[in-house]
Amino acid sequence: GEDVEQSLFLSVREGDSSVINCTYTDSSSTYLYWYKQEPGAGLQLLTYIFSNMDMKQDQRLTVLLNKKDKHLSLRIADTQTGDSAIYFCADYSGGYQKVTFGTGTKLQVIP
Amino acid sequence: DAGVIQSPRHEVTEMGQEVTLRCKPISGHDYLFWYRQTMMRGLELLIYFNNNVPIDDSGMPEDRFSAKMPNASFSTLKIQPSEPRDSAVYFCASSFLRAGANTGELFFGEGSRLTVL
Repeated sequence: GEDVEQSLFLSVREGDSSVINCTYTDSSSTYLYWYKQEPGAGLQLLTYIFSNMDMKQDQRLTVLLNKKDKHLSLRIADTQTGDSAIYFCADYSGGYQKVTFGTGTKLQVIP
Repeated sequence: DAGVIQSPRHEVTEMGQEVTLRCKPISGHDYLFWYRQTMMRGLELLIYFNNNVPIDDSGMPEDRFSAKMPNASFSTLKIQPSEPRDSAVYFCASSFLRAGANTGELFFGEGSRLTVL
């Protein structure tokens, strides 16, 4: 079946940039997402990119997609302590709304 | 608008007891998903429904797990009998198929944290 993989942990200093990486296997993915999970809460969609795009920028967030290598990344500029959370990469290939999530990357921001 | 509502938020029970988790999806959403989150396995899809009909239950771990959706505004996930390895956070999410530009976004509840002693 489809697989989405991420590193488990990332630690950065406040003010630095964070880059969270993800690889996926489903070549028919139409949308790729980044969800954010804050402590004790559910997941919330942070941003997404359509599979025919290479890059999407949204304020401090930059999403890069390398479809050939099936690699997705999320860059957070000027990382703040409020960005500390678990970030999930996910992909969607249409049909019955089935979304496959990665294992999540826990981002720790050091003041 | 109210989001996805789950109850209870926390449940502590003893091994062998029946556990029922509840979910109210966002009004108008026609997809409902149950996920389980653990440290070891991450986020696992257990089952999902479309228009109250179960579409894929291949993620349900064992016959001890069952899920129902009697109407568009309510779903339950039941574990009977519960075991310590069922301890996890269970999330419900809902979605809708948007004609044209469907992005597949899921809307999650805050989760039900289950501890089985």
